[in-house]
Amino acid sequence: RKEVEQDPGPFNVPEGATVAFNCTYSNSASQSFFWYRQDCRKEPKLLMSVYSSGNEDGRFTAQLNRASQYISLLIRDSKLSDSATYLCVVNLSSGGSYIPTFGRGTSLIVHP
Amino acid sequence: NAGVTQTPKFRILKIGQSMTLQCTQDMNHNYMYWYRQDPGMGLKLIYYSVGAGITDKGEVPNGYNVSRSTTEDFPLRLELAAPSQTSVYFCASSYSLIYNEQFFGPGTRLTVL
Repeated sequence: RKEVEQDPGPFNVPEGATVAFNCTYSNSASQSFFWYRQDCRKEPKLLMSVYSSGNEDGRFTAQLNRASQYISLLIRDSKLSDSATYLCVVNLSSGGSYIPTFGRGTSLIVHP
Repeated sequence: NAGVTQTPKFRILKIGQSMTLQCTQDMNHNYMYWYRQDPGMGLKLIYYSVGAGITDKGEVPNGYNVSRSTTEDFPLRLELAAPSQTSVYFCASSYSLIYNEQFFGPGTRLTVL
């Protein structure tokens, strides 16, 4: 089993749709969780940190389910500009330290 | 603040050549990272550093070396380049290892022929 898994998609949705992505992780001792956004041929940029209580930023909601070892990202009222790849990052416990581990990303295409 | 800068932006190497990818950050972050990203894949950690003089291997360190003589700079050295090292290389920095976001440089696109 891969340490951090994401459905690569693509998720192809119309403007205004609601779309959700999940990301599963293998190590229950993982400490912190993030969603990054990556545009084509650009560097990743932080979208949201993911807290145990869940957090919301405008149209974006991130949640953590420690029991089932996954995090989720919900995007409401999708915009054309939301088209990108969404990377989940989990700081996995490894030999007494924590290693930031990326999923392969989920591609989102929002069409008119 | 320039953030994280990387040079060069692009490079083509012949098999067996060596090169150094430069990375500099001006945010006074202790933690710095090198990743590679192959097409359609996520980022894989090559090496990371928790401060000047301290480096550690990530998931895919073979074929690479790093050094960290200052807080600002974290160069990545490729010795004896191989086609399997064709990739996009990203350098990143963060305030802490666990809880803070990583800031990424624009990347170096490397092709080994």
